[in-house]
Amino acid sequence: DIQMTQSPSSLSASVGDRVTITCQASQGISNRLNWYQQKPGKAPKLLIYDASNLEAGVSSRFSGSGSGTDFTFSIGSLQPEDIATYYCQQYDDLPDTFGQGTKLEI
Amino acid sequence: QVQLQQWGAGLLKPSETLSLTCSVYGVSLRGYYWSWIRQPPGKGLEWIGEITHSGRTNYNPSLKSRVTMSVDTSKNQFSLKLTPVTAADTAVYYCASGFTMVQGILANWGQGTLVTVSS
Repeated sequence: DIQMTQSPSSLSASVGDRVTITCQASQGISNRLNWYQQKPGKAPKLLIYDASNLEAGVSSRFSGSGSGTDFTFSIGSLQPEDIATYYCQQYDDLPDTFGQGTKLEI
Repeated sequence: QVQLQQWGAGLLKPSETLSLTCSVYGVSLRGYYWSWIRQPPGKGLEWIGEITHSGRTNYNPSLKSRVTMSVDTSKNQFSLKLTPVTAADTAVYYCASGFTMVQGILANWGQGTLVTVSS
């Protein structure tokens, strides 16, 4: 299985800050990398697909970049409603695998 | 707009069979991959597997010996069975789907079902 390593595992930031989360794959996955937001008690929500494409209806303050093994997810200006856990997911090779998550606190 | 609504038994005993169904609204089963993902309490996400409208499946090797997925095109539903269950299978189970004929992008999710395995 491809291992996905996210960092940091938790992060505390202030409203208006720029926040960056990284995800590293154990082998190259091209751009087959998605980012999800999960709020407590809710299903995950797709934010970014194919490493850098913003899902329809998602705020443009969210962005992603990277290819191969190293990926970055950013929130341009942190808002209170961004409190959540964020996961990366690779789908280059089965089984699909997720990072362990980054819990974001404000 | 795709909507997924899932249901199934929430409390099982060890060795029993977990059975969940996901109803699809807004699109036909044809042309999509239909997935199941689970999340143990307080932990991360685990991909269980996926199925197409024709019944072609991909399962996580870690669960493959215990998992069966199926589709019912007449009801626009797909289902998950996991047997036998143990306490380690306690988790919130989600059904999910993605973009047309694209495996792996999970754009639509069910509401989740908490399944607890306890004697």
